[in-house]
Amino acid sequence: QKEVEQDPGPLSVPEGAIVSLNCTYSNSAFQYFMWYRQYSRKGPELLMYTYSSGNKEDGRFTAQVDKSSKYISLFIRDSQPSDSATYLCAMSATGSNDYKLSFGAGTTVTVRA
Amino acid sequence: SQTIHQWPATLVQPVGSPLSLECTVEGTSNPNLYWYRQAAGRGLQLLFYSVGIGQISSEVPQNLSASRPQDRQFILSSKKLLLSDSGFYLCAWSETSKQFFGPGTRLTVL
Repeated sequence: QKEVEQDPGPLSVPEGAIVSLNCTYSNSAFQYFMWYRQYSRKGPELLMYTYSSGNKEDGRFTAQVDKSSKYISLFIRDSQPSDSATYLCAMSATGSNDYKLSFGAGTTVTVRA
Repeated sequence: SQTIHQWPATLVQPVGSPLSLECTVEGTSNPNLYWYRQAAGRGLQLLFYSVGIGQISSEVPQNLSASRPQDRQFILSSKKLLLSDSGFYLCAWSETSKQFFGPGTRLTVL
């Protein structure tokens, strides 16, 4: 069993729809949770960063963490064609100075105009 | 602000040839540095990481090696490339649990 599970999709939605992405994990030591966006043939860019449980909102993006269920989500409201990309979840534990991340496999999203 | 550079952007090499990919970071001191490989349609595989000059940790046994000759320079090398070394190589840096990625090098081994 992988440490972080993410449905690879692909996911295709019409413009303006809400995109819902999620990851599950098995390591209860994870405390930091991130979402990266990766456009084709580019490096991943950090989109959202949260610590422990709770919600965080940034514009059209909302990240949720439910540590009791070991489940994290990313919601994209009013999706645009420019949101078409692969979204990777990532997480790390505390207590080590290497700051290694465990990544999901990534979900490919296409927003149709 | 911090900037991370990788070069070359694209590389086509024959099997058995050597490899050297370079990554440099600007605007920060003593960052953690990481090398990842991303195969087509797959997730990120951590290859090496470094928490300081000369300190290299290997995550996956392979014919690749890494070095950190300077604080903000990270080099990925191979003496003899294999077909299976093809992929998208990404360098990243961090000071906390947030990692920031470079633009990547696309390597094709023929």
